[in-house]
Formats: sequence, structure tokens, C-alpha cells
Amino acid sequence: QVQLVQSGAEVKKPGASVKVSCKTSGYTFTDYFMHWVRQAPGQGLEWMGRINPNSGGTKYAQKFQGRVTVTRDTSISTAYMELSRLRSDDTAVYYCARDYCTSITCLFDYWGQGTLVTVSS
Amino acid sequence: EIVLTQSPDFQSVTPKEKVTITCRASQSIDSSLHWYQQKPDQSPKLLIKYASQSFSGVPSRFSGSGSGTDFTLTINSLEAEDAATYYCHQSSSLPRTFGGGTKVEIK
Repeated sequence: QVQLVQSGAEVKKPGASVKVSCKTSGYTFTDYFMHWVRQAPGQGLEWMGRINPNSGGTKYAQKFQGRVTVTRDTSISTAYMELSRLRSDDTAVYYCARDYCTSITCLFDYWGQGTLVTVSS
Repeated sequence: EIVLTQSPDFQSVTPKEKVTITCRASQSIDSSLHWYQQKPDQSPKLLIKYASQSFSGVPSRFSGSGSGTDFTLTINSLEAEDAATYYCHQSSSLPRTFGGGTKVEIK
């Protein structure tokens, strides 16, 4: 069965960086784009960016351009999201989500369990 | 960027009542609209794909309709386990965007 298992919670100081991993199993990692979505406490869902695991090509939300880097390691079927220059308002749960695409469109069919990143001095 | 406007923000409903949530897109997205359910401390779960198709394993009381800019999620005969926040999501173009969410509370 498809599984996306994320790394554990992190506590970081303002200005630091955090790298969250998303280890996949149960499907061919390079066949599906992987996206990252975050959710601040009590707030809605916010798309951050995505990677084509096959080519390594990435796209990012303008809001995070220059601060976010999404990478992958195909040898271990794992995607990563690194966010730098952390601020207190980056405190959120970060999710990876698999993008299932047909000839018509795509959708997020499987999600990781989420990783809480707390930014506090 | 395509903006998705959901309404209402909050709904308090008695069991067996019908719930209707709407999602309006700022431009046409055909049927590239999906609905997710999120319970506290859980990841979002796909309910309805391509505006009106139920995802595997989703109870038949959940249904979706619409195309273009106006979409609706309907929960017929609400059950206690349906207490959650519901989000619409568009995959027509990047950046991918979500509606603000509708919290459904059981009275």
C-alpha cells in the first residue's frame, strides 16, 4: 500500500533552517510528482512547491521563492523540503502529498502524516 | 493565482441533517476541483475528485457537483463522524490553491 512517512517534529530558532523528509513506499517514486503543503496552527492549507522526482525539476510558490528548496533521493524514494531563514510565522505542520495525474488533471491522493515545525527563540 | 472562496466558514448541524458547502473559483477551472476532509490532528483525506467523483471508500452520503467556477459539496444525513473541516482544492494551474475551509460541528 502507498505510504508517505515524514520525519519527526522539529524546534528551530529564528533564522535557522529546517529540512523535512518524506519517505515513500508502495509505488514507483519517480512516477508521481511530490508536493509540499503547510498548515499554520488553526489555519488553512498553503501550497509551497513541488518536485518532479524523475527529473528533479521544481516549482515553488512565489511567497517562498528563495527560502524553500525541494529535493529528492531516488535511491531511497524520499523527498525533502528545506526552508531557510525561519521566522516565527513559519511555525506550522508541513505535509508532503503525492500528485496523481491523469490526462485531464491532477490531485493529491496520498498525504504524509505531517511534521510540526516550531520556530521559537 | 486562482482564488477559491468557500462558504460558510462554520456550520453547526444536527445529525441526519443535510450539509451544503460551496466553493467559488476566481476563474474557470473546468472540473479540476477536489474536496478534502480534515479531522483534528490528521492529514487531509480526499473525498471527491474532479468535482463530482467519489474517491474510493468514501461513504455515499458525500457528493459533489459543479464545473467552471461554482462547486458544491453535499453531505446527506450527517453523521457524528463527519465532524471535520472541509477544503476545496484546485489543480487547474500552479500555484495550487485551497479554499479557506468550512468547519462542520455536530450539535
